[in-house]
This record gives sequence, C-alpha cells and structure tokens, in this order.
Amino acid sequence: QKEVEQNSGPLSVPEGAIASLNCTYSDRGSQSFFWYRQYSGKSPELIMFIYSNGDKEDGRFTAQLNKASQYVSLLIRDSQPSDSATYLCAVKWGDSSYKLIFGSGTRLLVRP
Amino acid sequence: ETGVTQTPRHLVMGMTNKKSLKCEQHLGHNAMYWYKQSAKKPLELMFVYSLEERVENNSVPSRFSPECPNSSHLFLHLHTLQPEDSALYLCASSQERTDHSPLHFGNGTRLTVT
Repeated sequence: QKEVEQNSGPLSVPEGAIASLNCTYSDRGSQSFFWYRQYSGKSPELIMFIYSNGDKEDGRFTAQLNKASQYVSLLIRDSQPSDSATYLCAVKWGDSSYKLIFGSGTRLLVRP
Repeated sequence: ETGVTQTPRHLVMGMTNKKSLKCEQHLGHNAMYWYKQSAKKPLELMFVYSLEERVENNSVPSRFSPECPNSSHLFLHLHTLQPEDSALYLCASSQERTDHSPLHFGNGTRLTVT
C-alpha cells in the first residue's frame, strides 16, 4: 500500500517567517513529487514539482527532495497571510498521472 | 476559455435523483480524471480516462457512472446516491506520456446528498 504522510497541522507561523512543510512517502520507486496549494472551498493548484535530489527554488518557494530518506519538503520564505491554505503533497511512482498518491494535506496559518 | 471548467459548482440532490456532473478541459490534454475529496481525507481517485479509454477504476460504487465522449469532455452520472457521497468532486486533466506531467484541476462541484 503506497502512502504519503503529512502532518495535518495547523502549522502557525508569523508573517515574514519561513514556513516548513514536510511529507514522507512509502514507495522507493516514486519518481516525481508535487506540491499543491488548496484554499478553503477551492480546488488544488500546482505550486511546484521536483524529481531530482536536492533543492528547487521558485520565487519564495523551495522544494527539497531526499530520496534516500523518502522525504520531500516545501519551504515558504517571507510567509504572507495570503499563504494561509492547505498544502497537499503528491507522489507519482510511474509515468502516468493516475499513479499519483496525495497526502491529507497540512493546514498553514500565517499570522499578521 | 482556458483551463478545466466544471459545472455545476454546487449541487443538492435527494437519494432518488439522477444528476450529472460535467467537466471540460481546454488544455489539449489527453487524460482526464474524477477525484473525490471528503473532509480530512486525502484526494481519492475515482476514474481515469486516457485517450478516451477508461484505464483505471478504483472500485467505485456503480451508482457513479463516468462517460468520456472525447478527450475534452468528461461526465459523472449520479443515481441513487447516499448521504456519505456528499463531498467535493474534482475533475482534472494531464498530458500522459510526458515526463512529470502534473494534474490540472477544475474548480470542483460541491455535492450534497439529502
């Protein structure tokens, strides 16, 4: 049973701080890793994806992947209240998007 | 219009009703999906169509019936639903056989079964 684990939170950080969101996965054959943001009552929207070990930066967001530890994280620098949302980690172990497993998500609250 | 659009946005139906959810994608993708999102649970994959053929069905009850007439349109036909079927139903699309192809989601249909 392939699983993706996330702490449900809420993770509360002050405005301007770095928010660190973590995700672990069970299948060593996993190939691609995605972070989605979902505002309350809205659909998930893609923030970033990563497939190589190390860091990948896009603006205020940095995704980090460690395949040996089966761990992927998302850092949000200079957190803003508008970043308050649920962040979903998704892991794909094949070349087809239907082999994509989602975590339950971590709720992030950024305090003004 | 761009992206993935779903209608209706909200739907309230009784257990004896028959209704359909509609999804349309304008991204030129070759695969479409139905997901169910219930409170505090991970997204659950229901159906996958790739190149208009159903390739995945995760043991969804027969009261849910998908239809994919072409690569841009996807329907979910509903009949004799149960209250526990109340959830957010999300349509998504992707380009299969493309490395690291992400899913693009529609805005969802919030379904309430009374």
